[in-house]
Amino acid sequence: GAGVSQSPRYKVAKRGQDVALRCDPISGHVSLFWYQQALGQGPEFLTYFQNEAQLDKSGLPSDRFFAERPEGSVSTLKIQRTQQEDSAVYLCASSSGGPADTQYFGPGTRLTVL
Amino acid sequence: KNQVEQSPQSLIILEGKNCTLQCNYTVSPFSNLRWYKQDTGRGPVSLTIMTFSENTKSNGRYTATLDADTKQSSLHITASQLSDSASYICVVHEGNMLTFGGGTRLMVKP
Repeated sequence: GAGVSQSPRYKVAKRGQDVALRCDPISGHVSLFWYQQALGQGPEFLTYFQNEAQLDKSGLPSDRFFAERPEGSVSTLKIQRTQQEDSAVYLCASSSGGPADTQYFGPGTRLTVL
Repeated sequence: KNQVEQSPQSLIILEGKNCTLQCNYTVSPFSNLRWYKQDTGRGPVSLTIMTFSENTKSNGRYTATLDADTKQSSLHITASQLSDSASYICVVHEGNMLTFGGGTRLMVKP
């Protein structure tokens, strides 16, 4: 497809489990962003890649969160030992330029930690 | 910490009516300010983008304004349609940082 895709769309995890969320950006987009969106809130920045380089990870809430983009295309956000407060929608966005350029968002992955 | 505050949190209007959503920010100056529309279960989609020096930008029935002196932006929706029901999010870009407002949830009723 032409847009950003994310999988799975929904994920239910038991507290303590590890999860991996996948993002397929628009082909050729050099920049990729991950956001966390709590219910009824705006997205909050987690991390930013330019190609395979993770240029900013200041928004990752703890060392349980890890993101990678090894070949500069697909990215995976991994959350280890999930906790209930990790429940949120995780949005991925990509852009052809930097953060100030138009970002195209995927539909998100809704994570529920029981 | 940069802040973007939006009001109202939620709004219900009748189809065909106009409405205005507000965004107050503390980031100044900034690269650009965008308004996004987020349908339920979807990612945000950019509606308008304004640089720090622009005052207004239109996209169909959507018109965004920017007052750099008061650090306020507004999004005006004209002749609302049922499909306008969504969350509208104000986002300020400063360097590599994006600060999102909490959004206004708009419901348009027939």
